[in-house]
Amino acid sequence: GQQVMQIPQYQHVQEGEDFTTYCNSSTTLSNIQWYKQRPGGHPVFLIQLVKSGEVKKQKRLTFQFGEAKKNSSLHITATQTTDVGTYFCFGSGGGADGLTFGKGTHLIIQP
Amino acid sequence: EADIYQTPRYLVIGTGKKITLECSQTMGHDKMYWYQQDPGMELHLIHYSYGVNSTEKGDLSSESTVSRIRTEHFPLTLESARPSHTSQYLCASSDGGLRNTIYFGEGSWLTVV
Repeated sequence: GQQVMQIPQYQHVQEGEDFTTYCNSSTTLSNIQWYKQRPGGHPVFLIQLVKSGEVKKQKRLTFQFGEAKKNSSLHITATQTTDVGTYFCFGSGGGADGLTFGKGTHLIIQP
Repeated sequence: EADIYQTPRYLVIGTGKKITLECSQTMGHDKMYWYQQDPGMELHLIHYSYGVNSTEKGDLSSESTVSRIRTEHFPLTLESARPSHTSQYLCASSDGGLRNTIYFGEGSWLTVV
């Protein structure tokens, strides 16, 4: 099935720096979800975006859904060591089969 | 936290052995999934089910099989384990509605020696 493309694959930041990961689809999505997986753990749902241009915030995390509903981003302000992990996006509708996750972005934080 | 359970959590078995990984959820979800994930790598869908007596193969070719006789139960079986099957296997479920949040179990770490 077609999946959304996610970049970057790895991101090294100093603690306190910002972090952004992007998901891109060649077709219009119905919605996009974001998940976080801690090292050694399992993916955990963070948020779902449904509306064109939607922006949602969870403390230091900001999620955006593009106007064309083909791309999305997750931005973390002032990273902390607890943010370490892999962030996956998951698209449904359009060309996305609602079954396949993006390849994930590994966030590595250097103290 | 979600009510989806996997057993065993960790297993080391010999080549050629048959193994069944158990997965149960108490949320009444129709959709269930099995993903295979090597450490630090992407999630590969190997099987999914949209309800009782419905099973489909995912994108990643797998020598495993699944069954869905009851809504809450979605076991995965390897008839003859090989070292290449060494990986983490994640079971998941979702309600399939508009929100369709996917809930994952804690995973089963399989090592074939």
